[in-house]
Amino acid sequence: EIVMTQSPATLSVSPGERATLSCRASQSIGSSLAWYQQKPGQPPRLVISGASTRATGVPARFSGSGSGTEFTLTITSLQSEDFAVYYCQQYNVWHTFGQGTKLEIK
Amino acid sequence: QLQLQESGPGLVKPSETLSLTCTVSGGSISSRTYYWGWIRQPPGKGLEWIGSINYSGTTSYKSSLQSRVTISVDTSKNQFSLRLTSVTAADTAVYYCARDPIGSYPDYWGQGTLVTVSS
Repeated sequence: EIVMTQSPATLSVSPGERATLSCRASQSIGSSLAWYQQKPGQPPRLVISGASTRATGVPARFSGSGSGTEFTLTITSLQSEDFAVYYCQQYNVWHTFGQGTKLEIK
Repeated sequence: QLQLQESGPGLVKPSETLSLTCTVSGGSISSRTYYWGWIRQPPGKGLEWIGSINYSGTTSYKSSLQSRVTISVDTSKNQFSLRLTSVTAADTAVYYCARDPIGSYPDYWGQGTLVTVSS
């Protein structure tokens, strides 16, 4: 099973600043990586697929990068609605999720 | 617009079997392009893929759950179902069903249903 490891577990950032979230796969997954945003009581919402393609309706301040085993989600000019938990997920071999990064207001 | 809706008991006793059904509307579960999957999330914890099934009944399960999980499909009702046997408190979670395109990520999710394992 491919293991996905996210860091940090919690990230405290001020509104208007930049947030950088990391995700590492235990083996190469090419670009088969998605990022999801989840708010309390809601199902996950797709943010990025194919490691770098924004989902429909996702603002341009969200960007994804990486391939192979190292991936990054960057959110610039953080807005209040961006504070949530973010999960990475590999879909190269079925599905494995990272443990999540909680993005909180500093 | 595709919609998925989970249904089933919200409380299951330890050692018993958890059974949930996902009803798909706005699209056909018989499409050859998709699998249909179950994903769960224990309270305050992360997401865990349980398994997926296609229209013909071909399944794939998470290895650590494989001995306890059965996913089935009923194309006549546009539904698929999850059975998890010998449950414990560790199986308490919100259970989501999702459309699972072949070789891709789950793109449509249900709202989720909380199942609590308790006597």
